[in-house]
Amino acid sequence: SAVISQKPSRDICQRGTSLTIQCQVDSQVTMMFWYRQQPGQSLTLIATANQGSEATYESGFVIDKFPISRPNLTFSTLTVSNLSPEDSSIYLCSTWTGPNYGYTFGSGTRLTVV
Amino acid sequence: GQQVMQIPQYQHVQEGEDFTTYCNSSTTLSNIQWYKQRPGGHPVFLIQLVKSGEVKKQKRLTFQFGEAKKNSSLHITATQTTDVGTYFCAGRDSGGSYIPTFGRGTSLIVHP
Repeated sequence: SAVISQKPSRDICQRGTSLTIQCQVDSQVTMMFWYRQQPGQSLTLIATANQGSEATYESGFVIDKFPISRPNLTFSTLTVSNLSPEDSSIYLCSTWTGPNYGYTFGSGTRLTVV
Repeated sequence: GQQVMQIPQYQHVQEGEDFTTYCNSSTTLSNIQWYKQRPGGHPVFLIQLVKSGEVKKQKRLTFQFGEAKKNSSLHITATQTTDVGTYFCAGRDSGGSYIPTFGRGTSLIVHP
């Protein structure tokens, strides 16, 4: 299975600013996925990131608000731009590691916007 | 689009009691996965079910996939305080996206 290092683990940001979240995988993976999890809620897919191409965004999420980079097969970043209190949430990156290990998740970034 | 419903949302049990969470999909699934998220943690993969009617066991946990491949359940026998957390199912639509849709999760609270 893969191991994903995600940082920062938490941050408190002022409204109107941006936060960039990084995920580093210990092996090369084709696709990485970014999720948002609001308190007590399920995981909502934001976008899928392939290396060398633009990310594919789910309905309700746009590139201007959630730009994603995927410069190589082991790394991805998600930026949450122009922050508002509604963006306060946990953000998780993930990758598929096969039927025996399922989706492996990073440890998550807890974002609070004040 | 595909919807995955999971019940109950919360379940309080006394330590030693059994626990079951149910997952229902609006569409036929190619597979279903189960994850556990401890409080303050991230989801951790438990198992994947693929075959109609499949039953798999992991110690005190029993996972079932329905015959029609539209529902699934996770049963924990004799709960322990270490079982506390939120259990998510994630179903992959057989006719749609390869990316699974997560249920809302069932939060298990075990009282010692």
